[in-house]
Amino acid sequence: DVKVTQSSRYLVKRTGEKVFLECVQDMDHENMFWYRQDPGLGLRLIYFSYDVKMKEKGDIPEGYSVSREKKERFSLILESASTNQTSMYLCASHKVGSAMDYGYTFGSGTRLTVV
Amino acid sequence: QKEVEQNSGPLSVPEGAIASLNCTYSDRGSQSFFWYRQYSGKSPELIMFIYSNGDKEDGRFTAQLNKASQYVSLLIRDSQPSDSATYLCAGYNDYKLSFGAGTTVTVRA
Repeated sequence: DVKVTQSSRYLVKRTGEKVFLECVQDMDHENMFWYRQDPGLGLRLIYFSYDVKMKEKGDIPEGYSVSREKKERFSLILESASTNQTSMYLCASHKVGSAMDYGYTFGSGTRLTVV
Repeated sequence: QKEVEQNSGPLSVPEGAIASLNCTYSDRGSQSFFWYRQYSGKSPELIMFIYSNGDKEDGRFTAQLNKASQYVSLLIRDSQPSDSATYLCAGYNDYKLSFGAGTTVTVRA
């Protein structure tokens, strides 16, 4: 089974802090994604990456950046955390050519609270 | 307008009944569709996918796709308390999944 591991299950950070959310997958997947999930809004795509050092903005990239230095690791960075970034963050990955049939594999999520 | 819209719910059904979940999409380029189940506090898990018009059955679950009407549905037969969760509909296009807001289903014993 593919494993997508997010480094923290719960995080509490202060307004203005720089926050790093880490995601690692162990099945050599090319594509990786960061979503946030909020009640009533569903999952919204923040950024995705289709190769090492390659990234593309999703629907709500403002206030976020990403880093993909190695194929297995995709990091989400909140440059200066704000209270409106309090949310559940979900990482996902899939192998090129497979998503049409099998969708994504999700990590267990990081619930971030910014105070 | 969101690319994927789901009936808002919440949906409450008695144990043993059929739960019917609906989803419409606006992107005609969407190639396949997925239903994910998400328990409270957990991440989504894939339960069904469909890319051809018609029905697809897997155990107690049936997915239906009508590309002309841009409509996807999920039927859960013989609903069980363990089916109580939020169900997410997603459409796939251009390497990305676009999700609906989800429909929360409660199966009452």
